[in-house]
Amino acid sequence: AQSVSQHNHHVILSEAASLELGCNYSYGGTVNLFWYVQYPGQHLQLLLKYFSGDPLVKGIKGFEAEFIKSKFSFNLRKPSVQWSDTAEYFCAVTTNSGYSTLTFGKGTMLLVSP
Amino acid sequence: KAGVTQTPRYLIKTRGQQVTLSCSPISGHRSVSWYQQTPGQGLQFLFEYFSETQRNKGNFPGRFSGRQFSNSRSEMNVSTLELGDSALYLCASSGGGGTREKLFFGSGTQLSVL
Repeated sequence: AQSVSQHNHHVILSEAASLELGCNYSYGGTVNLFWYVQYPGQHLQLLLKYFSGDPLVKGIKGFEAEFIKSKFSFNLRKPSVQWSDTAEYFCAVTTNSGYSTLTFGKGTMLLVSP
Repeated sequence: KAGVTQTPRYLIKTRGQQVTLSCSPISGHRSVSWYQQTPGQGLQFLFEYFSETQRNKGNFPGRFSGRQFSNSRSEMNVSTLELGDSALYLCASSGGGGTREKLFFGSGTQLSVL
């Protein structure tokens, strides 16, 4: 079965700082990778996803993520964070075997100070 | 288009009781998944239903059960509640439940067990 680990449980940044949230997965086969975000008081929503092709994917609100197959990683980045990016970020993975379900990491809480 | 609706929003129960949570997916969606979210464990998969059949089940005890109706609405039941069952229970829907599909999440039911 697949698993996901997120390196940082809490990250605190000042506005305009650059962001990189780490995500590693364990699975030997083909994976589909996702980042979901949960803003305070809101439901979880998809930020971006990677299935195949260009390993650098762009999502909403200026976020991007890079899939590095050799490192089993899918790190999330943003060049300049804003106060409104304060949220909890979840990395998740499915595989292409059968009815694979979405497996989440434990999440990273990002706090951006104005 | 209405989003995923979960009821009730908050629930307080005592140990030993049972509880039923409800989820109405987005119209036309046939797959409904349930997740338990806690601060320490993140999101853990409970089960997935597709066309009234349980297609996947996570690693939870038999006290956790669910079902799906012909209109795709789903219910989750927890019997003999324990303190550790206190959590936010999230429901997510998608069209066909494919491994590359985006999940649409509800706002969740916050269950407190006293």
